[in-house]
Amino acid sequence: DIQMTQSPSTLSAYVGDRVTITCRASQSISSWLAWYQQKPGKAPKLLIYKASTLEGGVPSRFSGSESGTEFTLTISSLQPDDFATYYCQQYNSFPYTFGQGTKLEIK
Amino acid sequence: QLQLQESGPGLVKPSETLSLTCTVSGGSISSSSYYWGWIRQPPEKGLEWIGNIYYSGSTFYNPSLKSRVIISVDTSNNQFSLKVNSVTATDTAVYYCARLESSATFDFWGQGALVIVSS
Repeated sequence: DIQMTQSPSTLSAYVGDRVTITCRASQSISSWLAWYQQKPGKAPKLLIYKASTLEGGVPSRFSGSESGTEFTLTISSLQPDDFATYYCQQYNSFPYTFGQGTKLEIK
Repeated sequence: QLQLQESGPGLVKPSETLSLTCTVSGGSISSSSYYWGWIRQPPEKGLEWIGNIYYSGSTFYNPSLKSRVIISVDTSNNQFSLKVNSVTATDTAVYYCARLESSATFDFWGQGALVIVSS
């Protein structure tokens, strides 16, 4: 199975900050990487697919990038609605696997 | 607007079978463009993919669960279902059904159904 390792596990930031979350794959997954946002008690929401393509309706302050097996999710200017847990997911090969999550907290 | 809704017992005894159904509304489960999947999340933990199904009945399962899981589809009722047999406390989780769009990402999700395994 492909292991997805996210860092950090927890991130504290202020409204307006620029933040970056990293996800590293244990082997090549090409660009088959998605990012999801999950709020407490809710289902995950797809933000980005194919490493850097924004899902329709997702604010442009979210962006994704890749470098080899390292992927990043960047939020350019944090808004109050962005405080949530973020997961990466690889869909290069079965079984699909998720990162362990990054909880973004208000500082 | 597409909606997915999980339904089924919220409490299952150890060694018994967990059964959930996902009802799809606002779209056809028989669309050739999509797969349909199950994902679970134990309390306070991360997400685990269980498996996918196509309207034709073709399935893909997570090997970690494959021996205990069956996913099936009922196109006449626009539903797909999950069965996990021989459950233990480690199967306690919120179970989500979701649609996989052409890029194989989960773009629509149900609200989730909490299933507790306990005697």
